[in-house]
Amino acid sequence: DAKTTQPNSMESNEEEPVHLPCNHSTISGTDYIHWYRQLPSQGPEYVIHGLTSNVNNRMASLAIAEDRKSSTLILHRATLRDAAVYYCILRSDSGYALNFGKGTSLLVTP
Amino acid sequence: GAGVSQSPSNKVTEKGKDVELRCDPISGHTALYWYRQSLGQGLEFLIYFQGNSAPDKSGLPSDRFSAERTGGSVSTLTIQRTQQEDSAVYLCASSPRTTQPQHFGDGTRLSIL
Repeated sequence: DAKTTQPNSMESNEEEPVHLPCNHSTISGTDYIHWYRQLPSQGPEYVIHGLTSNVNNRMASLAIAEDRKSSTLILHRATLRDAAVYYCILRSDSGYALNFGKGTSLLVTP
Repeated sequence: GAGVSQSPSNKVTEKGKDVELRCDPISGHTALYWYRQSLGQGLEFLIYFQGNSAPDKSGLPSDRFSAERTGGSVSTLTIQRTQQEDSAVYLCASSPRTTQPQHFGDGTRLSIL
C-alpha cells in the first residue's frame, strides 16, 4: 500500500484554524485519501475523505493538491475537543483494511 | 443512533487463559473489521467479514486467534492460550459496504498478566 507521511505533532490555539499536512507521493490513481482521528481512550472516528476535488463537511475541509501527492486537513476553528491523533490514510477503491500510521498528535491550547 | 458496541470494555486475565471479545456492529452494516492497537502504535488489521463471504483472516497473528460472525451481525474474537504480547486494545469497526467509511467502537482493553 502507498504510504503517507505526517508530522508527529502540531499545536494550535483554541478558535484558530488548523492545517494538518499529509504527504503521499506514491499515491495511485485509484487511492482515496481518508482522514480519521482518535481521541484519548476512544476508537478512531471518520473525519473526511476525497479523491481529487476538495471536500467539505460539518467537521472539516480536505484540500487535495493538483498532483494528489499531498493533502491538507483543515479544521476551521479548533476547539479543545479537537485534541486528538489525526491519521491520513490511503485506501484503494478495492481495499478495505485501513492502514493507520503514527498520525499527527494535535494539541489545542486555550 | 446506536454506534458500534464492544464488550467488555476492559479485560484482565492470566497468561494461558482463553478470552472472548464481542462486537455488536451498527444495524444493517454488512462489513465488519477487527483491528488491534498496541501502546503507542498504529492500528493492525486482524480480520474482515463481508456479508456471507468467507472472511479475510490474513491479519490474524497466529492460530491462537479466531473470529466468527453469527447471522451476519454480532462478531466474537477469541484468543486462546493468551500471551503477554496479546495485551492491546482490540477495536471493532463496521461499515454499510466495504468501500464506505468505517465506524469504530471504543475497543476492549486486554491486559495479560
